[in-house]
Amino acid sequence: EPEVTQTPSHQVTQMGQEVILRCVPISNHLYFYWYRQILGQKVEFLVSFYNNEISEKSEIFDDQFSVERPDGSNFTLKIRSTKLEDSAMYFCASSEGAGGLTGTEAFFGQGTRLTVV
Amino acid sequence: ELKVEQNPLFLSMQEGKNYTIYCNYSTTSDRLYWYRQDPGKSLESLFVLLSNGTVKQEGRLMASLDTKARLSTLHITAAVHDLSATYFCAVYNFGNEKLTFGTGTRLTIIP
Repeated sequence: EPEVTQTPSHQVTQMGQEVILRCVPISNHLYFYWYRQILGQKVEFLVSFYNNEISEKSEIFDDQFSVERPDGSNFTLKIRSTKLEDSAMYFCASSEGAGGLTGTEAFFGQGTRLTVV
Repeated sequence: ELKVEQNPLFLSMQEGKNYTIYCNYSTTSDRLYWYRQDPGKSLESLFVLLSNGTVKQEGRLMASLDTKARLSTLHITAAVHDLSATYFCAVYNFGNEKLTFGTGTRLTIIP
């Protein structure tokens, strides 16, 4: 069964360092997302991406965050200068269509646990 | 801004019992999803509810959607231990690509 895959599964980084989280969405999907979940809390939307551009972003997704689809398969989230409060589980998701318009289901990857020390 | 609330936040129940988790949301939507999350794991899709009155069942779980009341329920029948997990509902605003999650309900089934 097709699935969204994320690497690495766990990353530890020092405060102020840049990190890149990687995702391979399901191959025929057109919409890509990043969400994060601080330990024990609810899942929060960061950004959605379609047709090689950001279609929506939350107030969490400030200038230190960026997303890119560098080739036909990968979708990356870069955090330029990490802070302690960026420690969280980051989930990538993809969907075939626009969930808000068509109700297409989003499939989530297994997550990358980011620990900023 | 869309708000999604679940109750209860924590639920401890005995095997064999029935219970219901409630998901209320604040603005009009007919795009509601239920996800299951095991500790440290990803979000597994359980149900996709796309119109008023939708009822779906999978095993011991049944989900329904009432868009007029802005309410979805996840009903657990004759609970078994392997249903222990955190359950999230999530809602799209119409035309909006932002999936807003509820607070989650941590369900523990006691043998």
